[in-house]
Parts: sequence; C-alpha cells; structure tokens
Amino acid sequence: NAGVMQNPRHLVRRRGQEARLRCSPMKGHSHVYWYRQLPEEGLKFMVYLQKENIIDESGMPKERFSAEFPKEGPSILRIQQVVRGDSAAYFCASSPMGDRDNSPLHFGNGTRLTVT
Amino acid sequence: AQSVTQPDIHITVSEGASLELRCNYSYGATPYLFWYVQSPGQGLQLLLKYFSGDTLVQGIKGFEAEFKRSQSSFNLRKPSVHWSDAAEYFCAVGAGGNKLVFGAGTILRVKS
Repeated sequence: NAGVMQNPRHLVRRRGQEARLRCSPMKGHSHVYWYRQLPEEGLKFMVYLQKENIIDESGMPKERFSAEFPKEGPSILRIQQVVRGDSAAYFCASSPMGDRDNSPLHFGNGTRLTVT
Repeated sequence: AQSVTQPDIHITVSEGASLELRCNYSYGATPYLFWYVQSPGQGLQLLLKYFSGDTLVQGIKGFEAEFKRSQSSFNLRKPSVHWSDAAEYFCAVGAGGNKLVFGAGTILRVKS
C-alpha cells in the first residue's frame, strides 16, 4: 500500500544543469500538487495538475520551471538551468478528487535538491 | 491575501508536560485550517483539520486544536508530550481546495 512516491530523495546539480523530479501519486489519486520548501520556511504552493492537465500554476516561477502529469507515468517537475536559489526541498502531494472535495493531501517524503 | 504566522520558531518542553503551539492566520472569510507534522527527512503528515462546526477539533496522536475566530487563531495543544512528538509542526490555511498557505513552522524539542 504505497503512499506518494518521490524520487530521487536527494539530487545534486551544478549551476546550469537540468533537474527532473518525479512523483507517483497514491493509488487511485489523479490529482497532484507540487510544493517547494526553502530553508527555514514553510511550504509554498507551486502547481496543481490533473492527468494531462495543468489546473493551477499560479505558484510556478515564470521561467525555467515546468510540470506535467501525463496519462501514463509519474508527474514530473522540471527545472532548467538551475541556480543556487533553486536549492530546496520539493514535495509532491496527491488527493483522490483534488479541489472538488475536502479530502486532505497525502505528501511524499520530498526531493532535496542541492545546486552547487 | 492569506497568510499564516507561527510566532515560535523553537519550543522545548519536558516529556510529560503540556504543549501549546501558536498559529495566527489572516483570511477574509471562514478559513479551512490544518496542522501538519514533519519528522526529519520525511513528508508532512496531517494531524487535524478544521472546516466548520465545532471549534475544538480532535486529531491523531492525542493532539487537538481550537479555532478562535475573534483572535484569528488555531492553536495546537497536547496535554502530555511524548519524546516521539519531537518534530516540526506546520499550521496552514486554505480557501477551499488544496492550495494551502503554510506558516514557517515550529520546531518542537522534547527533553527527558
């Protein structure tokens, strides 16, 4: 009975490289949310996706960041040309019906991205 | 815009003592309120939530929280803390849906 699975757990990238973070939601969940946690801060909403659709990307930086949730496979958060300020913990969460009900989010253990 | 303030960055309590973690929010209407706990290197686990109704909410692991509209607060309490409660605690507010605004967190240390 796997929960939300994120990989890798830790990712180190040099400035200018690309980072790809993967998230497999809980079984039966088709709504995925990405949050970012900067050091000593709370989580900040980035994007909300349903299968093949971006529902709300109001928290995504305008450049270099993109997210997808294809019909098959995990959700991917992609950061191009990473900079030191992208170093953070990135959390994925899923829910069965998204914003249509009050079911709480189930969070993964996060990917800790370090940019050197 | 919604915001959440957790005034205490760190709190240390003795095992067996009572605990109260403070949370103040800013939101124009009746908010949805949450408390999550995060152990080191782990994701967030939901402790409890308030949507409507009874303002005293019971959660898992013996935690409870009280919604006080007049004070814009949603403080988390536990009558007797266990060493395993040491973790970071986050208060969050939502306007419906799962686009939550989190506070900066309170780190709880438990001394034996």
